[in-house]
Amino acid sequence: GQQLNQSPQSMFIQEGEDVSMNCTSSSIFNTWLWYKQDPGEGPVLLIALYKAGELTSNGRLTAQFGITRKDSFLNISASIPSDVGIYFCAGRGSQGNLIFGKGTKLSVKP
Amino acid sequence: EAQVTQNPRYLITVTGKKLTVTCSQNMNHEYMSWYRQDPGLGLRQIYYSMNVEVTDKGDVPEGYKVSRKEKRNFPLILESPSPNQTSLYFCASKRAGGHNEQFFGPGTRLTVL
Repeated sequence: GQQLNQSPQSMFIQEGEDVSMNCTSSSIFNTWLWYKQDPGEGPVLLIALYKAGELTSNGRLTAQFGITRKDSFLNISASIPSDVGIYFCAGRGSQGNLIFGKGTKLSVKP
Repeated sequence: EAQVTQNPRYLITVTGKKLTVTCSQNMNHEYMSWYRQDPGLGLRQIYYSMNVEVTDKGDVPEGYKVSRKEKRNFPLILESPSPNQTSLYFCASKRAGGHNEQFFGPGTRLTVL
């Protein structure tokens, strides 16, 4: 079945640093999504990408839909303590179902 | 406030005792789904529903049932829970059609002893 490889699994960074995480797959996806999950809550959509090569920003977050349609990355610039959480990528294939990555746990030291 | 609600938020039960986790959304969304989240495995879809009276299996449907009698509600039923169903469960909903993405509920942490 379709699988997503999300890396890194976890990151420990200093406040103010930039962060980068990515997802890759052997399958082609038509949509890439990035979610953030805070402790005790459900995932919240950060950025949605619908076109190969698309680069989209949401405040300090930037995500790109890879040109091969098999990968995507998320960058967070100038991290702050409230960026702490688990970040998930998700891809939607031709069948319409969402496949989630295993998540990147971000810790930010003030 | 637009939201997806789940009840209960926490539940500890014993093997074999039937239980239902309710999910309700107030956004008039056609699509609803259930996921389970386990450490190291991410989110996996259990069942989904494209509209009232239409349900389909996701990636991990074994041991679960759902129903969609009304648009706003999508309960998850465990007829005979087992310890391997101990997990964090999320309900989600979205409007039908492309470029509409899912809103997730706050989660239900289930422990089956």
